[in-house]
Amino acid sequence: EAQVTQNPRYLITVTGKKLTVTCSQNMNHEYMSWYRQDPGLGLRQIYYSMNVEVTDKGDVPEGYKVSRKEKRNFPLILESPSPNQTSLYFCASSSYLAGGRNEQFFGPGTRLTVL
Amino acid sequence: AQSVTQLDSHVSVSEGTPVLLRCNYSSSYSPSLFWYVQHPNKGLQLLLKYTSAATLVKGINGFEAEFKKSETSFHLTKPSAHMSDAAEYFCVVSDPRGRYTGNQFYFGTGTSLTVIP
Repeated sequence: EAQVTQNPRYLITVTGKKLTVTCSQNMNHEYMSWYRQDPGLGLRQIYYSMNVEVTDKGDVPEGYKVSRKEKRNFPLILESPSPNQTSLYFCASSSYLAGGRNEQFFGPGTRLTVL
Repeated sequence: AQSVTQLDSHVSVSEGTPVLLRCNYSSSYSPSLFWYVQHPNKGLQLLLKYTSAATLVKGINGFEAEFKKSETSFHLTKPSAHMSDAAEYFCVVSDPRGRYTGNQFYFGTGTSLTVIP
């Protein structure tokens, strides 16, 4: 089954304790992206990756890191989490069709609480 | 620059009545447009997409959307609301140049649909 998986689904942590949220897709997609969702703000892009070893900042990258060493995986790293990073996080992937007109496929989300 | 405006943050309808969720966009290029639905505590699911073919697009669960270039709109409709339609709906614009710039997808802030029994 074609899917995007994220782990963990729920995480409660404390300020300053490094954490990683994993994301994996089995569709051989080139493009992967991380979003955070907050009430009233919709989805905001944190980082994206156009292919292996190619990553760039989205709209709200502060406090986050990413890596893309393999095509299928795109982990999100919080080196020193703070309470304002409490949010619902989504990973997404997409392939490039002619004209870039393909949709994104989303993971199930990771609900992060930083105390 | 691309942007998406969902004109209503909340919409309430009675079960069995029509649904209209409004979306306007701005794009310098011929965009692709999508509607996603998010049920409570779930991920985002694609409802339908417009990719420069027919302007009236049919999606899953009886939803439709019409691309109107002159009005820069992509409103989502359904003839008869079901209780199961209660969810958050997102309009998304894709910049076709994004495969080169990387910044492909632009999200609206969402419309919360309530269906009253």
